[in-house]
Amino acid sequence: DVKVTQSSRYLVKRTGEKVFLECVQDMDHENMFWYRQDPGLGLRLIYFSYDVKMKEKGDIPEGYSVSREKKERFSLILESASTNQTSMYLCASSGPTGSWAKKAAGIQYFGAGTRLSVL
Amino acid sequence: GQQLNQSPQSMFIQEGEDVSMNCTSSSIFNTWLWYKQDPGEGPVLLIALYKAGELTSNGRLTAQFGITRKDSFLNISASIPSDVGIYFCARMEYGNKLVFGAGTILRVKS
Repeated sequence: DVKVTQSSRYLVKRTGEKVFLECVQDMDHENMFWYRQDPGLGLRLIYFSYDVKMKEKGDIPEGYSVSREKKERFSLILESASTNQTSMYLCASSGPTGSWAKKAAGIQYFGAGTRLSVL
Repeated sequence: GQQLNQSPQSMFIQEGEDVSMNCTSSSIFNTWLWYKQDPGEGPVLLIALYKAGELTSNGRLTAQFGITRKDSFLNISASIPSDVGIYFCARMEYGNKLVFGAGTILRVKS
């Protein structure tokens, strides 16, 4: 079974703090993703990575950065947390990109989420 | 990215009832996915659809990929309390990125 582990289930931080959210996957997946989930808005992509040291902006990257130093680990960084970053953060991973004939490719597996409150 | 329109936003149904929800897009896509998120957990894949017109079942769940490739529906038959959660549709973009609908919140009265 694929396992995606997020380091914290709940975090409370103060405005202006630097926040690290960690995600580890054990399936040797190339692709990793960070989303935020807000009521009525679904899941919105913040950043993703296709390989070690590679990163791509998603739909809402402002105020965030990421780090992928090892294949299994993808970190989301809030350089200076703000109250509008209070949200549920979800990490996901998926297998190789490429052939559409490989049906399993692209299916994303999610961690349990980190609920971040910024006060 | 382009958005998906998912409806209804929420449903409060009696145990044993059937449930139907759908998702539409203004553009054509090749892959539709349906995920379920239990309270306090991350989303889990329920069904994946790869061909226009494809109808796929997973237990009490049935999903179809619309002929026009712009929509999909998910049906749940004879709902039970553990069906409670948020159901998301998603379409797959190039590079295996997913774009999600806003979700349908399902509540079940027992």
